[in-house]
Amino acid sequence: EVQLLESGGGLVQPGGSLRLSCAASRFTFSNYAMSWVRQAPGKGLEWVSRITGSGDSTYYTDSVKGRFTISRDNSKNTVYLQMNSLRAEDTAVYYCAKGGAPETLIDAFDIWGQGTMVTVSS
Amino acid sequence: DIQMTQSPSSLSASVGDRVTITCRASQGIRSWLAWYQQKPEKAPKSLIYDASSLQSGVPSRFSGNQSGTDFTLTISSLQPEDFATYYCQQYYNYPLTFGGGTKVEIK
Repeated sequence: EVQLLESGGGLVQPGGSLRLSCAASRFTFSNYAMSWVRQAPGKGLEWVSRITGSGDSTYYTDSVKGRFTISRDNSKNTVYLQMNSLRAEDTAVYYCAKGGAPETLIDAFDIWGQGTMVTVSS
Repeated sequence: DIQMTQSPSSLSASVGDRVTITCRASQGIRSWLAWYQQKPEKAPKSLIYDASSLQSGVPSRFSGNQSGTDFTLTISSLQPEDFATYYCQQYYNYPLTFGGGTKVEIK
């Protein structure tokens, strides 16, 4: 069964940094784009960032551009989200999600991880 | 950015009911629309992609349809495990955007 397992969440002060990881298993990781999607407490889903299978192209929502960086290590089947200059409004559960079709520029998600909670507070 | 407007934001229904949720895109997105189901304190689950294609393992009581920029998710006969919040999402261009969600509650 395809699996995604996030880690790295926690409590951080405003202005601080955190790196999330998402370990993938049971599929050819390098063939698929990966995304991060977040959900603030009691709110809806918000797409954050996406990286292509090769890692050549990355995309971000405006509110995190210049602060967050998505990357991947295909030798470790892991995608990362480096989050800097964190703000209270970044508080959310962060999910990683797998693209549904191999080697496409843009597509729907087919598999989601269980999520990791990030709390930005002093 | 493409705005996705879902309606209703919530509904009450009984087991066995036919339920329809609507999602309207602010501009044309071809058929690049997905639907997701989320239960409380759980990760979303993918239901439908390309407006009407079922993800593997999703029961056939779920279906998706499109008319221009209006999309619908229909549950033909609501089951107890279907009480959840449903989200639409466009993947026509970046930023990827979700609808606000529709909570399906037990009547």
